[in-house]
Amino acid sequence: DADVTQTPRNRITKTGKRIMLECSQTKGHDRMYWYRQDPGLGLRLIYYSFDVKDINKGEISDGYSVSRQAQAKFSLSLESAIPNQTALYFCATAGEGVGSQPQHFGDGTRLSIL
Amino acid sequence: QKEVEQDPGPLSVPEGAIVSLNCTYSNSAFQYFMWYRQYSRKGPELLMYTYSSGNKEDGRFTAQVDKSSKYISLFIRDSQPSDSATYLCAMSTGGSYIPTFGRGTSLIVHP
Repeated sequence: DADVTQTPRNRITKTGKRIMLECSQTKGHDRMYWYRQDPGLGLRLIYYSFDVKDINKGEISDGYSVSRQAQAKFSLSLESAIPNQTALYFCATAGEGVGSQPQHFGDGTRLSIL
Repeated sequence: QKEVEQDPGPLSVPEGAIVSLNCTYSNSAFQYFMWYRQYSRKGPELLMYTYSSGNKEDGRFTAQVDKSSKYISLFIRDSQPSDSATYLCAMSTGGSYIPTFGRGTSLIVHP
């Protein structure tokens, strides 16, 4: 089993729909992150959580919300999807090693909003 | 000017070549320097991690940090077609667990 699992892997939906992307991890890490990746723009941070009771906005949080249901689960929601939220979304975790930097990434959710 | 600059490439090299991938940055407070490798349709994986200045070697990979020039490099020796991927640099300040990523450089190693 993968260390970080994202579901769904692909999603096509319409403008205005509510969408939830889910992430679960088996690493036992406290720190979890949501990123989006767009061609030519690299990885941009949406939200991050350093433990179950800690939620922080990243650089591009507008239009998104998150829920940290447990240490292992971190969900990203788009309340009312719009076409410019079409992107590749990644969840990541960080443990105490490697300077506590993001270390394990899921394989991403490819989201298309029509 | 972005905090972290990275040429997107693509960089195309023959098998066996020495590859040099680079990033420049503007924030002198960065202390943690990372390189991630991302294969097509996969998530990034942490390849190399360096704290502060200096070199770090792991097999065919060497990460180099020059804080005086605000320049970091990743060298790949004896490059293989399996090294074909996008390489992202990332860096963060001391006590921060929120790295700033470069845009990534696409590397193609052809047989």
